[in-house]
Amino acid sequence: AQSVTQPDIHITVSEGASLELRCNYSYGATPYLFWYVQSPGQGLQLLLKYFSGDTLVQGIKGFEAEFKRSQSSFNLRKPSVHWSDAAEYFCAVGGAGGYQKVTFGTGTKLQVIP
Amino acid sequence: EPEVTQTPSHQVTQMGQEVILRCVPISNHLYFYWYRQILGQKVEFLVSFYNNEISEKSEIFDDQFSVERPDGSNFTLKIRSTKLEDSAMYFCASRARGTEAFFGQGTRLTVV
Repeated sequence: AQSVTQPDIHITVSEGASLELRCNYSYGATPYLFWYVQSPGQGLQLLLKYFSGDTLVQGIKGFEAEFKRSQSSFNLRKPSVHWSDAAEYFCAVGGAGGYQKVTFGTGTKLQVIP
Repeated sequence: EPEVTQTPSHQVTQMGQEVILRCVPISNHLYFYWYRQILGQKVEFLVSFYNNEISEKSEIFDDQFSVERPDGSNFTLKIRSTKLEDSAMYFCASRARGTEAFFGQGTRLTVV
C-alpha cells in the first residue's frame, strides 16, 4: 500500500530564512510525487511534481524539491521564505498507471514570523 | 487555463438528509476522483471513477455514498443519509492519462 509520512506537524521559520519540509513515501513502483499547498479554508494548489527525469524539480513560488530514491524522500525547499508562504503543505504520492489515486501525508503547517 | 469546478462552495444540511455534491471535471480528462478532508486533518481518498464505473474505493466509501457521471460532463457524489461525521471539505479531481490530478476548490459540507 502506498503511504506518505510528513514527520513535522508544525514548523516556524523567520521571514527570509531557508525552509525544508520533509517527506518520506512508500510505494511499490516508480512513484509520481507531489507537493500541494493549502491556505486556510481554501483548495489545494499544486506547487510541483516529479514524474521522471531530473531528480531536482522546480515549482511555483520559488519552491523546489529533490527526489531521492535511496532514501524514499521528496523534501521541499525554499531558499528564502516570505510571510505569504504561511500555509499548510501536503506531500502526496501516486502511481503512473491509469486511475491511480493520490495518497496524501498528514501535512506540515508553516508559520512565518517577522 | 482549464479547471475543475465544484458547486456549491458551501452546503449546510440536516442530519439524515441526502446531499449531492457536483463537479465539472476538465473536459478531456478520463479519470475522476472524490477526496475529503475533515477539518484539521489530511486529505483522504474516497473513490476513483473511470469508464463509467468505480475503479477503486476506500473503506470510507460505504453504502451511503454513490457517484455518478450522469451526462458526460458532470461528476456527482451523493450521500444518502448524512451524519454529523460527514462534515468535511469534499474535493473533486480529474486527470488525463499520465498527468497529475487537478483538484477543484472544494465543497464544504456542514451537517447539523
